[in-house]
Amino acid sequence: DAGVTQSPTHLIKTRGQQVTLRCSPISGHKSVSWYQQVLGQGPQFIFQYYEKEERGRGNFPDRFSARQFPNYSSELNVNALLLGDSALYLCASSLTAVYQETQYFGPGTRLLVL
Amino acid sequence: AQSVTQLGSHVSVSEGALVLLRCNYSSSVPPYLFWYVQYPNQGLQLLLKYTSAATLVKGINGFEAEFKKSETSFHLTKPSAHMSDAAEYFCAVRGSTLGRLYFGRGTQLTVWP
Repeated sequence: DAGVTQSPTHLIKTRGQQVTLRCSPISGHKSVSWYQQVLGQGPQFIFQYYEKEERGRGNFPDRFSARQFPNYSSELNVNALLLGDSALYLCASSLTAVYQETQYFGPGTRLLVL
Repeated sequence: AQSVTQLGSHVSVSEGALVLLRCNYSSSVPPYLFWYVQYPNQGLQLLLKYTSAATLVKGINGFEAEFKKSETSFHLTKPSAHMSDAAEYFCAVRGSTLGRLYFGRGTQLTVWP
């Protein structure tokens, strides 16, 4: 069975540009979460979506937005890129959004902002 | 509020030696605790999880962790390290009705031959 897939794997952008990252959850999973992992740190929660609705948002500026599609895939958008947005962006999926669910992570998209 | 502290950003052991990676948590509600492993240039792989069923949790690759409420700890151990265990290990807590995970800063494990 396919795990969580993310695209692209790597991306280079310049300051001020916009970027869209994509995630496909494990088949049957209805919840997708996004995390940002800056080099040398643990992942930080950005968003969680379940059944196409936002269920949680971390402490990130409004430049970060996301959505979930009817097929449960998701996109993360970041506008007006800053150097500090350079990071590994991880997508995780789970069956539902409840407390007990295990989140399974994809390989990530590595974003470099120049 | 929920948080995780991983003591020791780097741990080095010899092949065959005991591995002990420390994790202390803070949670205002009964926690669910997780250990993930990250190999270079890869995403996170679930090693094991504590969901209040048993305090000693066994995971993949010979790892296990013990939940100690009195010490608010969830340390990860493996009796005998293997070269393939070299990776970064993250402890995470989920302590609310929402799905978000709170991660520690990670511990880089190096295994010497």
